[in-house]
Formats: sequence, C-alpha cells, structure tokens
Amino acid sequence: QVQLVQSGAEVKKPGASVKVSCKASGYTFTSYGISWVRQAPGQGLEWMGWISAYNGNTNYAQKLQGRVTMTTDTSTSTAYMELRSLRSDDTAVYYCARDLDSSPSYFDYWGQGTLVTVSS
Amino acid sequence: SYELTQPPSVSVSPGQTARITCSGDALPKQYAYWYQQKPGQAPVLVIYKDSERPSGIPERFSGSSSGTTVTLTISGVQAEDEADYYCQSADSSGTLGVFGGGTKLTVL
Repeated sequence: QVQLVQSGAEVKKPGASVKVSCKASGYTFTSYGISWVRQAPGQGLEWMGWISAYNGNTNYAQKLQGRVTMTTDTSTSTAYMELRSLRSDDTAVYYCARDLDSSPSYFDYWGQGTLVTVSS
Repeated sequence: SYELTQPPSVSVSPGQTARITCSGDALPKQYAYWYQQKPGQAPVLVIYKDSERPSGIPERFSGSSSGTTVTLTISGVQAEDEADYYCQSADSSGTLGVFGGGTKLTVL
C-alpha cells in the first residue's frame, strides 16, 4: 500500500532553517511527483511547491521563492523540503503528498504531517 | 496571485443535500479537486478531475463544473461528513497549485 512517512516535529528559532523528509513506499517513486502543503494553526491549506521525482523539476509558490528548496533522493525514495530564514508565521503543519510527475495536479496520498514551530 | 473562492461555512440537516461552491477564473481551463479534512487529520481526496470519485469514497459525494465555478455535492449528508472541505486547482499556466480558503460543513 502507498505510504508517505514524514520526519518528526521540529522547534526552530527565527532565522533558522528546517528540513523535513518524506519517505515513500508502495509505489514506483520516480513515476510520480511530490507536492508540499502547509497549514498554519486554525488556518486553511497552502500549496508550497512541487517536485518531479522523475527529473527533479520544481515549481514553487511565488511567496516562498528564494526561501524554499525541494529535493529528492531516488535511492531511498525520499523527498525533502527545506525552508530557510524561518519566521513565526512559518509555524504550521507541513504535509507531503503524492502528485503527478509532469506538473502539479492533485494529491491522492498524504503524509501524516510534521509540525514545525518557530519560536524564540 | 491566483485565488479560489469558497463560502466559509455551509450547514445542513442529516439526510439533506449539501452543496459547496468554488470559483476561480482558470477553472474553465484547469481541473478542480476536492479534499475533506477532519480535525487533527491529513486531508483526503474525495473528487478529482472535477467529477471523478476515487475508490473508497461514498457515492453520495459528487462533483460538477460550470464555467468558472465548480461544485461539490454531498447527497444524503451524514453526521460523519462534518468536516472542512477544500477545493484545489492550478493557475492558468498549470504550473502553480492553489487551494480555496476552505468551507466548514456543519451537520445540524
């Protein structure tokens, strides 16, 4: 069965960076993409960006351009999302989700979420 | 930046039909998708490509599209359907994803 298992909760200080991992199993990793979605406390879902696990192509949300980097390691079927220069409003649950390999589309399987707390 | 607009809340009694709308200028060109999210859980895909239902999703969930508006319809609403519902699509270029603000469905 398809599973996406994310790394554990993080607490970071403002200005620091965080890197969240998402290990995929149960499907051919390089046949799909991964999108990252976050949800601030009590707020809605926000699409952050997409990466093709096939060729590493990425598309990022405009508001995060320059602060976010998404990568994959095909040898371990793991996707990573790094967010730099953290601010308090980056406090959120971060989800990875399986997507198409060609472009951002829809998300049929989701990870369990990783809480990132940014606090001094 | 591109936006999808949903009503903040919809309320229905058990057994009635709930309709949740989502509006966006690029919807005639891009497919829409719908997710259900219950408190403390990850979202679940309930409709893809405007009107297709993933396996395991009850038949009471359906989707439709007309111009710049897509609609999620839940027929014969049950108490377990109480949740937040999000529409999702892409911008006109198809390169950037976007979510609607979400609609809280309350079953009275």
